[in-house]
Amino acid sequence: DVKVTQSSRYLVKRTGEKVFLECVQDMDHENMFWYRQDPGLGLRLIYFSYDVKMKEKGDIPEGYSVSREKKERFSLILESASTNQTSMYLCASSSGGAGHFGDGTRLSIL
Amino acid sequence: QKEVEQDPGPLSVPEGAIVSLNCTYSNSAFQYFMWYRQYSRKGPELLMYTYSSGNKEDGRFTAQVDKSSKYISLFIRDSQPSDSATYLCAMIDYGGATNKLIFGTGTLLAVQP
Repeated sequence: DVKVTQSSRYLVKRTGEKVFLECVQDMDHENMFWYRQDPGLGLRLIYFSYDVKMKEKGDIPEGYSVSREKKERFSLILESASTNQTSMYLCASSSGGAGHFGDGTRLSIL
Repeated sequence: QKEVEQDPGPLSVPEGAIVSLNCTYSNSAFQYFMWYRQYSRKGPELLMYTYSSGNKEDGRFTAQVDKSSKYISLFIRDSQPSDSATYLCAMIDYGGATNKLIFGTGTLLAVQP
């Protein structure tokens, strides 16, 4: 059974902190994605990676960076968290077929 | 213009009704088409996945793709209250320069008992 695991379901951080969100997949997928989901705005792509150490900006990369040192792990980094980054963050992976999601991390920046 | 357009709803139907959810898209290079169901406070769950034009059936769910019209649909027969969720369409072009997974904004469905 496919599995995408996000490290935290709920996270509360303070403005200005550096925040790490981790995602691990066990399907040997080449592609991994980070989205944020906000009411009325749908899923917006932040960054994606199609191979180890490769990354591409999505539609809203500002204020974020990513790291993919191993095929199974894709990290999203908020360099200096701000309140407008409070959101639901979703990780997905795919390889020549449908994408599979983790359960999401609900991040609150105070 | 967005690459994928989806009516956000909300859509409210009585139990037992046939539900039709639709998306249109502009990029003719999209090859793979997916429907996801998302319950409140959960990640999207893959429901249906199709590659070519035509219909694909799985229980009460039927996915339909019309590449000539750039239009995809999801039909739910004998809808149940447990089908109440947000439904997202998604598509991907694996032959393109990048393998981006593009989503519609989602349709909120409520099935009334």
